[in-house]
Amino acid sequence: AQSVTQLGSHVSVSEGALVLLRCNYSSSVPPYLFWYVQYPNQGLQLLLKYTSAATLVKGINGFEAEFKKSETSFHLTKPSAHMSDAAEYFCAVSGGSNYKLTFGKGTLLTVNP
Amino acid sequence: NAGVTQTPKFRVLKTGQSMTLLCAQDMNHEYMYWYRQDPGMGLRLIHYSVGEGTTAKGEVPDGYNVSRLKKQNFLLGLESAAPSQTSVYFCATLLSSGGLDTQYFGPGTRLTVL
Repeated sequence: AQSVTQLGSHVSVSEGALVLLRCNYSSSVPPYLFWYVQYPNQGLQLLLKYTSAATLVKGINGFEAEFKKSETSFHLTKPSAHMSDAAEYFCAVSGGSNYKLTFGKGTLLTVNP
Repeated sequence: NAGVTQTPKFRVLKTGQSMTLLCAQDMNHEYMYWYRQDPGMGLRLIHYSVGEGTTAKGEVPDGYNVSRLKKQNFLLGLESAAPSQTSVYFCATLLSSGGLDTQYFGPGTRLTVL
């Protein structure tokens, strides 16, 4: 069984500030972890993924995430927020059969000018 | 190369009506998935397929049926729509190449059941 908890359904930051979106997971097998972004009225786009090659993963648009096994976390960060980062972000875990994804409930990121 | 397409983009149904959502992909991917997205719930897996002619239940399969008669198409059916099925439906595909691959998502279908 696997699950994902995203802490904070809504995060608000100022433009230029650090973005930190939190994700904790539970998995009975070594997990693969993903962050997806969803812009308004669009589908999901992959930001980055962890597949055990490296614990610090760099993704698109300046985002990165660090896998911490001891904390069962995979938090998403970006040093400086841009207005275009405003979107909903989903953390997901895959560790079972058939590559099925289990998603967190999402975090809506608002960027204030 | 269109990737993953979904038809229709929007639909309004009355309770008890039926409809079929189509997911089509041109990437020759083996795996296909149907999710529903509801506010505050994230995405939940309805049904999935690991190849042509196969289907399997996901987390929330009740009230839905699926078929994968052709590799490139995955159909999601609602036989008797209920207001609880008002949602945004996403299809995703994945190419299994022995390693971990990424699920690619379609643009979604927004369904309202009155």
